Amino acid sequence: DAGVTQSPTHLIKTRGQQVTLRCSPISGHKSVSWYQQVLGQGPQFIFQYYEKEERGRGNFPDRFSARQFPNYSSELNVNALLLGDSALYLCASSPSPGTSSYEQYFGPGTRLTVT
Amino acid sequence: GNSVTQMEGPVTLSEEAFLTINCTYTATGYPSLFWYVQYPGEGLQLLLKATKADDKGSNKGFEATYRKETTSFHLEKGSVQVSDSAVYFCALKVDYGQNFVFGPGTRLSVLP
Repeated sequence: DAGVTQSPTHLIKTRGQQVTLRCSPISGHKSVSWYQQVLGQGPQFIFQYYEKEERGRGNFPDRFSARQFPNYSSELNVNALLLGDSALYLCASSPSPGTSSYEQYFGPGTRLTVT
Repeated sequence: GNSVTQMEGPVTLSEEAFLTINCTYTATGYPSLFWYVQYPGEGLQLLLKATKADDKGSNKGFEATYRKETTSFHLEKGSVQVSDSAVYFCALKVDYGQNFVFGPGTRLSVLP
C-alpha cells in the first residue's frame, strides 16, 4: 500500500516568492496535518484538515494557508517567503482527528530552501 | 501548555551497547505518548506508542514505559546496532483534534 506522498521533494525559492506544496494521504485517511521542521529541531504543527475543513492551526503567520480537496489530498501555500521559512515540510495523515491514541503517518517531506 | 523535553544529543554508542534516551512531558489532560524515528533524508516513522499510564510500548527491540508519576517516557534498547543511527523524537498527543507536540529530537550515532 502506498504511504503518504509529497511533492516536490526539493524546492528552491527566492525571498518574497510564493510556494505550493502538495500531499496525498494514505488511502482511506481523511485527515491531513502539516508540520514545519527546521534543521536540528522537532516538527512544529502548522495546520490540520479533516473532511476539507480546517480543524486546527498552529502559531504561524497568515502567510501560511492550506486547503484540502474532495479526494483528501492537501496543499500548503506560503506567501512572501522569508529566509526563516527554509525547512522540511512534513505532511501526515490519519483516519480522523480521532482520539489521542491515533498515530499519524508521515510523508518523506518537502525540503524548501529560501535564498 | 503541552511540552516535551528530551535529553540533549548527540549520543554516541558502540554497537551492542545499552541505550537510554530520556523524555519527560508536561500536558493538560491524559496524553498518549509516542516515539518517532527519523533516518537521514527521510520523514518520521512511528517507533512505538503508549496510550495510558503503565503501558509499555515496544518495537524492534526498543521499549518505553508510560510513567505518569514521573511524567516520563524514556526510550531503551538493550543492544544497539549501527542501523539504529538516527534522530529520535518523543511526542505527545492529548485530545480530539489536537496534534502532536514533539520534543527537539536526540541524535544517536552507533559506531561499529
